[in-house]
Amino acid sequence: GEDVEQSLFLSVREGDSSVINCTYTDSSSTYLYWYKQEPGAGLQLLTYIFSNMDMKQDQRLTVLLNKKDKHLSLRIADTQTGDSAIYFCADNGGATNKLIFGTGTLLAVQP
Amino acid sequence: DARVTQTPRHKVTEMGQEVTMRCQPILGHNTVFWYRQTMMQGLELLAYFRNRAPLDDSGMPKDRFSAEMPDATLATLKIQPSEPRDSAVYFCASEGNQETQYFGPGTRLLVL
Repeated sequence: GEDVEQSLFLSVREGDSSVINCTYTDSSSTYLYWYKQEPGAGLQLLTYIFSNMDMKQDQRLTVLLNKKDKHLSLRIADTQTGDSAIYFCADNGGATNKLIFGTGTLLAVQP
Repeated sequence: DARVTQTPRHKVTEMGQEVTMRCQPILGHNTVFWYRQTMMQGLELLAYFRNRAPLDDSGMPKDRFSAEMPDATLATLKIQPSEPRDSAVYFCASEGNQETQYFGPGTRLLVL
């Protein structure tokens, strides 16, 4: 079945760039998403990319998509302590309307 | 600022009791999802509805869980009887454009 994988943990220093990586298996995905979850809160949609794009930039966030390798990444420039959270990537699994979520990457930002 | 709302935010109950969780999707969103999140299993899709009709509830234990949408502004998830293994955070999400899902704040359930 469809699968989305992420590394579990990333630690960076405040001011550095963070890069969170994700791989997926479903080649029919039309959209891929990044969500952020802060402690005790729900998942917040950060950004998404259409599958025929290879890059999308939104302020400090840059999403890169390598469709051939089924690899998605989220780069956060000038990472702040407020960026500490769990980041989930997801794909929309083709025609099912169900999002397939990765296990989440815990980003820890050290002051 | 349109948001998905969920009630209650926290619930502590005893094993065997009925639990009802409620969700108000964003106005105009026709697809509503229920998820459960635990440390061990991560985020699991329990069920989802489109235009109030259930499309897929294969992720839900049928013997004790039920999900309904009595109207377009209310989705409910019921557990009867509840068990300690049901302790989790339950999220509702509604779907906007580009199949983006907007999540509520969750109901944190503890079954003793």
